Amino acid sequence: GAGVSQSPSNKVTEKGKDVELRCDPISGHTALYWYRQSLGQGLEFLIYFQGNSAPDKSGLPSDRFSAERTGGSVSTLTIQRTQQEDSAVYLCASSLAHPGGGTDTQYFGPGTRLTVL
Amino acid sequence: AQSVTQLGSHVSVSEGALVLLRCNYSSSVPPYLFWYVQYPNQGLQLLLKYTSAATLVKGINGFEAEFKKSETSFHLTKPSAHMSDAAEYFCAVRSTGGSYIPTFGRGTSLIVHP
Repeated sequence: GAGVSQSPSNKVTEKGKDVELRCDPISGHTALYWYRQSLGQGLEFLIYFQGNSAPDKSGLPSDRFSAERTGGSVSTLTIQRTQQEDSAVYLCASSLAHPGGGTDTQYFGPGTRLTVL
Repeated sequence: AQSVTQLGSHVSVSEGALVLLRCNYSSSVPPYLFWYVQYPNQGLQLLLKYTSAATLVKGINGFEAEFKKSETSFHLTKPSAHMSDAAEYFCAVRSTGGSYIPTFGRGTSLIVHP
């Protein structure tokens, strides 16, 4: 597609439910990133994919959070047993990630606004 | 290790006035530096980036930023603010080697008064 797309744009769920957030990166981008943006906070890195593998998942806040990427394209971020503190905007970005290419630019999707009641 | 500090969570200017958004970074190796803009209910959009070429970088929408190594700064400026510039601005730093993961600042909200 022309840009990074995310779905749903908004998600309201009850505490304790599981949610799945989807990211469709720009075609041909091998790197994919998930960030969390809470009110008044900057972007908090969650996980990074290179192809289908995740070399860096150091930002996942707990074992309730997991992500996968299949076919080097679409990624799904899953939050199990949601808590109110999970409420935030979840942003996805993709990049070409040329090895050694320091000028790699991230392109962001519009985000999914998650509200946990 | 790398980090970014954006001074001022909110900056308010009048339409037509100079815009100055401050960003200071910390990096153990020469960095790449980025400014992004986020309009309400949208994702982040790249404004400009420093990649060790020219220290004065020009971006979209009339914005520019100057890399000053001695001050470890990468402040964003625009000579004359427009109402449409009202948005959240994020500075980010990435090391020149290794990880592709940039570190973002907390953001500065630019408010433009008529």
